[in-house]
Amino acid sequence: GAGVSQSPRYKVAKRGQDVALRCDPISGHVSLFWYQQALGQGPEFLTYFQNEAQLDKSGLPSDRFFAERPEGSVSTLKIQRTQQEDSAVYLCASSLLVLRQGMNTEAFFGQGTRLTVV
Amino acid sequence: KQEVTQIPAALSVPEGENLVLNCSFTDSAIYNLQWFRQDPGKGLTSLLLIQSSQREQTSGRLNASLDKSSGRSTLYIAASQPGDSATYLCAVRQEDSGYALNFGKGTSLLVTP
Repeated sequence: GAGVSQSPRYKVAKRGQDVALRCDPISGHVSLFWYQQALGQGPEFLTYFQNEAQLDKSGLPSDRFFAERPEGSVSTLKIQRTQQEDSAVYLCASSLLVLRQGMNTEAFFGQGTRLTVV
Repeated sequence: KQEVTQIPAALSVPEGENLVLNCSFTDSAIYNLQWFRQDPGKGLTSLLLIQSSQREQTSGRLNASLDKSSGRSTLYIAASQPGDSATYLCAVRQEDSGYALNFGKGTSLLVTP
């Protein structure tokens, strides 16, 4: 596709529900990132994939958060037993190249999924 | 831990003015710095990417500079237009933990007709 696509755009969940957020990166992009953006804040890093390998999940706030990218393309961020503090915009980004090669890679972001937990 | 600060937090200017947005970071060991634009309810649009070895990048009416040693970057917008109204975010990628982008909280810009 032309850009990073995320679905759904909006999600309202009752506290305690499980949710799954989808990201379709730009075709051929090796690197994929998930970020969480609270209202009035900058995005905060959650996790990073290089193809299907999850190389960094240090930003996941709790074990209720789980991300996968089984075939190295589409990724899903799952949040179990949602809580009100999980309400935020979840942004997905992709980059063409592999990081840590000393190369400067530009990140392209999707429009995000706005999650509201009530 | 890298801290990214953006000043001012909000800015309102009349159309046609030139303006400067500031970004500072505490750890100068960065791969690159990227400026983004975010419209309300939307994702991030990349504006400019400056490599650590570069001093500035230009795209149309936008010019971004980088002083890596002092931990500063500026985004210069010439001849501002109402369509420039958005939140501008600065982000850096570290040398030693190159996966995450570290973002500032952004500068909210309003350009009035």
